[in-house]
Amino acid sequence: DVKVTQSSRYLVKRTGEKVFLECVQDMDHENMFWYRQDPGLGLRLIYFSYDVKMKEKGDIPEGYSVSREKKERFSLILESASTNQTSMYLCASRPRTSGEQYFGPGTRLTVT
Amino acid sequence: GQNIDQPTEMTATEGAIVQINCTYQTSGFNGLFWYQQHAGEAPTFLSYNVLDGLEEKGRFSSFLSRSKGYSYLLLKELQMKDSASYLCAVRAFLSNDYKLSFGAGTTVTVRA
Repeated sequence: DVKVTQSSRYLVKRTGEKVFLECVQDMDHENMFWYRQDPGLGLRLIYFSYDVKMKEKGDIPEGYSVSREKKERFSLILESASTNQTSMYLCASRPRTSGEQYFGPGTRLTVT
Repeated sequence: GQNIDQPTEMTATEGAIVQINCTYQTSGFNGLFWYQQHAGEAPTFLSYNVLDGLEEKGRFSSFLSRSKGYSYLLLKELQMKDSASYLCAVRAFLSNDYKLSFGAGTTVTVRA
């Protein structure tokens, strides 16, 4: 079974803090993704990566950055957390030639 | 980008049938996915359509009409455990890569 894990299920941070969300997949997938999910808006793509050290902006990259130093790990960074970044964050991975994405359990981030 | 529309909520009775419609507008269409997401959990893959027609998988079926930009997910013999959000996602081939865009999701409530 494909497994995508995220470092935390719940996280509470203060405005202005630097926040790291970690994602690890164990199936040697080339592509990895970070989404946020908000009620009524669905999943929106923040950043994705199709290879180590490669990254591409998604639909809503402002306020976020990413890091992919190893194939299995994709990190989402909030340089200075703000209250409008309170959301559910979902990581996903897939092989390069396949459409099906496998999701992690999500991290519910609250910024106060 | 892609415009993906699906109803916000649907309610049905245990044992009944529910049909969740999804309409989309996109360039570079390369397949349509349905995911199921229980509250507080990650989305899980249900079905994939890339050609017109009906794909049946047990109690769940998915239909696609590319010319109409239309898909539906049919849930038969509803069970209480089918209460979840159902996400329609469209894959497009853009800028030399596949991109998956999600609708806002349809929350299905199954009542006894």
